[in-house]
Amino acid sequence: DAGITQSPRHKVTETGTPVTLRCHQTENHRYMYWYRQDPGHGLRLIHYSYGVKDTDKGEVSDGYSVSRSKTEDFLLTLESATSSQTSVYFCAISESAGTLEQYFGPGTRLTVT
Amino acid sequence: QKEVEQNSGPLSVPEGAIASLNCTYSDRGSQSFFWYRQYSGKSPELIMSIYSNGDKEDGRFTAQLNKASQYVSLLIRDSQPSDSATYLCAVYSSDDKIIFGKGTRLHILP
Repeated sequence: DAGITQSPRHKVTETGTPVTLRCHQTENHRYMYWYRQDPGHGLRLIHYSYGVKDTDKGEVSDGYSVSRSKTEDFLLTLESATSSQTSVYFCAISESAGTLEQYFGPGTRLTVT
Repeated sequence: QKEVEQNSGPLSVPEGAIASLNCTYSDRGSQSFFWYRQYSGKSPELIMSIYSNGDKEDGRFTAQLNKASQYVSLLIRDSQPSDSATYLCAVYSSDDKIIFGKGTRLHILP
């Protein structure tokens, strides 16, 4: 998985609780992405980062925030989890912009009850 | 709304035959096109990228791009049971948006 880890790999949480997912890379790539994947919707971009402390919104950013304080770590936070955020979350990295030559982490399966 | 369309399948192909996967996109200004393979329960894996009209071959895989028709395809020759997976088409659009299709499930019949 190109030196990308995600933690936790599985999580069950209750509606209304905060949740933070972590993506860690050892490739020193500048760009990092968070996606969610749901049946019938495919992969959808939540947020991305183009450098330390530089982030931007993707297609489905409502209810999510991100932070990147170090090149290697990109955190995704659900401030108050809802059942609609039950999904599989993938982190991805790429060396440069304007490319989809992205490398994905193993994913985190999140269930909000 | 920019879109990437794929037939969801499943597409069933006999072992040893050619599997043909198709993708259309709505943004005529898109410049970069990619195919990812995703096994069930696993993360997507990049298998092909193509940037200009024509064919690009890599082993048993050939990507074809026709920008005039806004059409991208992936051919898999000598299909193997290990090729059974979902194939995602992805496009980098003219407004720097990343758009994935919903994927085509491919089943190679032994």
